Amino acid sequence: AQKITQTQPGMFVQEKEAVTLDCTYDTSDQSYGLFWYKQPSSGEMIFLIYQGSYDEQNATEGRYSLNFQKARKSANLVISASQLGDSAMYFCAMREGGGNTGFQKLVFGTGTRLLVSP
Amino acid sequence: ETGVTQTPRHLVMGMTNKKSLKCEQHLGHNAMYWYKQSAKKPLELMFVYSLEERVENNSVPSRFSPECPNSSHLFLHLHTLQPEDSALYLCASSQDLGGGETQYFGPGTRLLVL
Repeated sequence: AQKITQTQPGMFVQEKEAVTLDCTYDTSDQSYGLFWYKQPSSGEMIFLIYQGSYDEQNATEGRYSLNFQKARKSANLVISASQLGDSAMYFCAMREGGGNTGFQKLVFGTGTRLLVSP
Repeated sequence: ETGVTQTPRHLVMGMTNKKSLKCEQHLGHNAMYWYKQSAKKPLELMFVYSLEERVENNSVPSRFSPECPNSSHLFLHLHTLQPEDSALYLCASSQDLGGGETQYFGPGTRLLVL
């Protein structure tokens, strides 16, 4: 079963409007973290925002906010006032586990391609 | 300024060639990662290093051979690759392996195997 599900393969938004990119996750861990990354056509994965499972407040970073609904296991990314430069692939990822090695394994979704039009 | 750099950015190689991908992080991090991104598939974790020791080998074929000579550098040695190995190879680093650590990625190497 997929651990991270991004149901929107593509989204269109007009410049200056807000857009919500959906992400649902599946985990039995109590402690986990959720990340959003942006990947422009150049290929680099750019970290946008992080939400810990115990964080009571929704994370915000400038125009990005994470709508964290723990009971529904969703972590949607909201981009306010879209800009042309926001056109890119957006990936939701979850850090879980630690196991014997203690390392955070990031599991990624398949991504949503956002296109911002003038 | 990019905290994680990768070279080359693009690579075309034949199935009998041997090549290496290089990653360097300028963030003072202790952990480094190799990921593979194929078309229409989620990112796949390949290898994890912490303080120059490999802590994860995610069932990667032996034609991929990682090397971490120090905490700032990570290599991926490639030999006798297959066309299905064509992908974007991304390097990442984080402060440590522990919980809550954000991974920062490089720009990737686009590899085409002919």
